[in-house]
Amino acid sequence: EVQLVESGEGLVQPGSSMKLSCVASGFTFSNYGMNWIRQAPKKGLEWIALIYYDSSSKYYADSVKGRFTISRDNSKNTLYLEMNSLRSEDTAMYYCAKSKTGTLFDYWGQGVMVTVSS
Amino acid sequence: DVVMTQTPVSLSVSLGGQVSISCRSSQSLVHNNGNTYLSWYLQKPGQSPQLLIYKVSNRFSGISDRFSGSGSGTDFTLKISRVEPDDLGVYYCGQGTQYPPTFGGGTKLELK
Repeated sequence: EVQLVESGEGLVQPGSSMKLSCVASGFTFSNYGMNWIRQAPKKGLEWIALIYYDSSSKYYADSVKGRFTISRDNSKNTLYLEMNSLRSEDTAMYYCAKSKTGTLFDYWGQGVMVTVSS
Repeated sequence: DVVMTQTPVSLSVSLGGQVSISCRSSQSLVHNNGNTYLSWYLQKPGQSPQLLIYKVSNRFSGISDRFSGSGSGTDFTLKISRVEPDDLGVYYCGQGTQYPPTFGGGTKLELK
């Protein structure tokens, strides 16, 4: 059974940093691209980052480019999202999601809440 | 970015009934490789989204044949027949043909 378990939830002040993790199990993690997708409270879904299976390519939404960094450690079956210069508009539930192929998201984690507020 | 527009925003249905959700994209979703990367997701209350349909009409593993997808180019439809209580929630269409991948605003399916 595929499982994606995020961690790193919290409340931070604007301008600060935070790192999310997503531990994967139930599939060969090193064979698949991985994504972060967020959902602001009562809002829709926003894809924010993709990393290829071997970390050779990374893509970001314009809204987070230059502030967020996606990375992975295939030896630990873990995906990361480093978030810097956080803004109130980054407040959202953050989901990690496995790529079936490309940007088709076949499995999602349960999500972690990030709140940016003074 | 490709804008995905879903209608209606909300939908009331009786158990056992049938519903259709429309999704329209601002640009054609036909990729250079000939595939059309249009997917449908369901987010049940308090849960993360789950994949239902991919590449317009392919049901994901374990998804009931009561769910069917159709369409081409810029216009797509999700049909749900014999609606069950477990079908309730918010449905999203999503495109993966062009970067960045984008989603529709969602359609909330409720019981009448």
